[in-house]
Amino acid sequence: NAGVMQNPRHLVRRRGQEARLRCSPMKGHSHVYWYRQLPEEGLKFMVYLQKENIIDESGMPKERFSAEFPKEGPSILRIQQVVRGDSAAYFCASSPMRAGELFFGEGSRLTVL
Amino acid sequence: DQQVKQNSPSLSVQEGRISILNCDYTNSMFDYFLWYKKYPAEGPTFLISISSIKDKNEDGRFTVFLNKSAKHLSLHIVPSQPGDSAVYFCAAITGNQFYFGTGTSLTVIP
Repeated sequence: NAGVMQNPRHLVRRRGQEARLRCSPMKGHSHVYWYRQLPEEGLKFMVYLQKENIIDESGMPKERFSAEFPKEGPSILRIQQVVRGDSAAYFCASSPMRAGELFFGEGSRLTVL
Repeated sequence: DQQVKQNSPSLSVQEGRISILNCDYTNSMFDYFLWYKKYPAEGPTFLISISSIKDKNEDGRFTVFLNKSAKHLSLHIVPSQPGDSAVYFCAAITGNQFYFGTGTSLTVIP
């Protein structure tokens, strides 16, 4: 049973470009969470999704950031027009139920030049 | 607004001794608490949890204590082993959201 899969593991973008991070939850998990870890900081909640629905996006910046979890395929975290402050590790976690145990992926590290 | 706080960014402990990692929270609505362990370049992995209706949960070398009146929880690792060296995050749940602390980096010295 594969764990939570995130790709790419490392992504380098220039300012103004778009970044797309993908997350495939564990088999049987329909709840996906995205977290961001900035240097010297803890994990900050961004968004909570179920299949085809955004349940809670209160942690998402109002502009440039969006997330989806389509009926088929992985969850996508999309960052448009990236800026240097977007450089961080982005972790995806899945759960079989709401507020159940979270299983984390290995993270995607975004570097904006 | 940091609702879950880990005030010690780092901790060093001799192998075989007890490691105590602390966590404070501000939201009395949290109903479940967890500890996660993270190695470099890996995602956090679940370690141990405790419901708000309990004050202690034990799993092998790991014990979590919850003091609701003080809004404080702690993770005890005894005896500490070099393989325990990692960053430990405490987390609290209310509603849909998990709130994580900033982490404590534990180093166990052989």
